[in-house]
Amino acid sequence: AQSVTQPDIHITVSEGASLELRCNYSYGATPYLFWYVQSPGQGLQLLLKYFSGDTLVQGIKGFEAEFKRSQSSFNLRKPSVHWSDAAEYFCAVGVPGTGNQFYFGTGTSLTVIP
Amino acid sequence: GAVVSQHPSWVICKSGTSVKIECRSLDFQATTMFWYRQFPKQSLMLMATSNEGSKATYEQGVEKDKFLINHASLTLSTLTVTSAHPEDSSFYICSAPTGGGYEQYFGPGTRLTVT
Repeated sequence: AQSVTQPDIHITVSEGASLELRCNYSYGATPYLFWYVQSPGQGLQLLLKYFSGDTLVQGIKGFEAEFKRSQSSFNLRKPSVHWSDAAEYFCAVGVPGTGNQFYFGTGTSLTVIP
Repeated sequence: GAVVSQHPSWVICKSGTSVKIECRSLDFQATTMFWYRQFPKQSLMLMATSNEGSKATYEQGVEKDKFLINHASLTLSTLTVTSAHPEDSSFYICSAPTGGGYEQYFGPGTRLTVT
């Protein structure tokens, strides 16, 4: 069965510091990979996605993620965090051939210290 | 980009009543839509797949008689929570695939509070 793991439930960083949020997936082939951000009481906003090709993908708001097949990982990074980045971050896997079903990780809550 | 809307954005209802949540794809057609449920501080859990012109497919553990799904047209799916109870209070989010089917576009969510 497919699964998505975000090992870090909560992360606190100082404003201006770098950030890396981890995501590992379990799937027999390469799935479609996504990172979403959710502010309190709001819907999901797509940060970036990976389907194929270049394993380093750029997203909005200065985020990037790197797909590493050997590690079944798709970690999200940002070189310098802003206070407005405080939110909940979800990694998601879209499994080809399943009618576009998505499987979400448990989420990582990011706190940014001024 | 593709837009998915939900109505209402929040609703409060009394225990025992039913409430309907609408999910619309505003600028594209969706033969399939998905309904998720999210409890506070938790992830999104897929509840069911809504199929235009046919019955919805429910995930294991989701009561189909309690969460009625109707995909009335290529742009509208509705989720009706019947005989709501306080434990049904949650954030309900819908999504629809578009383009080549690789992506999901998510609605803004509906906050349901059952008193």
